[in-house]
Amino acid sequence: QKEVEQNSGPLSVPEGAIASLNCTYSDRGSQSFFWYRQYSGKSPELIMFIYSNGDKEDGRFTAQLNKASQYVSLLIRDSQPSDSATYLCAVSNQAGTALIFGKGTTLSVSS
Amino acid sequence: GAVVSQHPSRVICKSGTSVKIECRSLDFQATTMFWYRQFPKQSLMLMATSNEGSKATYEQGVEKDKFLINHASLTLSTLTVTSAHPEDSSFYICSARIEGLNYGYTFGSGTRLTVV
Repeated sequence: QKEVEQNSGPLSVPEGAIASLNCTYSDRGSQSFFWYRQYSGKSPELIMFIYSNGDKEDGRFTAQLNKASQYVSLLIRDSQPSDSATYLCAVSNQAGTALIFGKGTTLSVSS
Repeated sequence: GAVVSQHPSRVICKSGTSVKIECRSLDFQATTMFWYRQFPKQSLMLMATSNEGSKATYEQGVEKDKFLINHASLTLSTLTVTSAHPEDSSFYICSARIEGLNYGYTFGSGTRLTVV
């Protein structure tokens, strides 16, 4: 069974710090990788997507992908209390026809 | 663009009754729709994948006779929870795959189902 693993947390960081969220996946054929943010009782919202090895930056967010290690990470710089949420790592299946989600990491940013 | 409208956002129903959840793609054609279920503090679990005009493909362990999925048009997919029981209480979310769009998937706003 294809799996996506995340540390459930909670991950607690002070305001202004860097939050580092990690994810590993089992399907070596996966090609697309996503990070979603989910507030309690709400639907996930896309933060970042990455397809190629290396880093991808968008504002305060940086996604890192290492396909050889089957590892995806998300860095959040200058963390804000409003970043407090659950972050879901999602990986497409090899056919690219569905997303498999990790259980999510809960991030708490204290002011 | 690429908005999926999901209704209702919340529903409370009695045990034994059926509930229908609708997802409409407002500005694109959703060839493929995914239905997820999320229990508290758990991740999104894929229940089924539906393609317009054909039968849905259900994930292992999901009862197809209990969770009826209809995807009769390119803009509407429905999930009907039949003979609902309290253990069906969950957060149900639909998602559409967007062809040609590099971020690939868009989500409905979710439906909180409570069966009493």
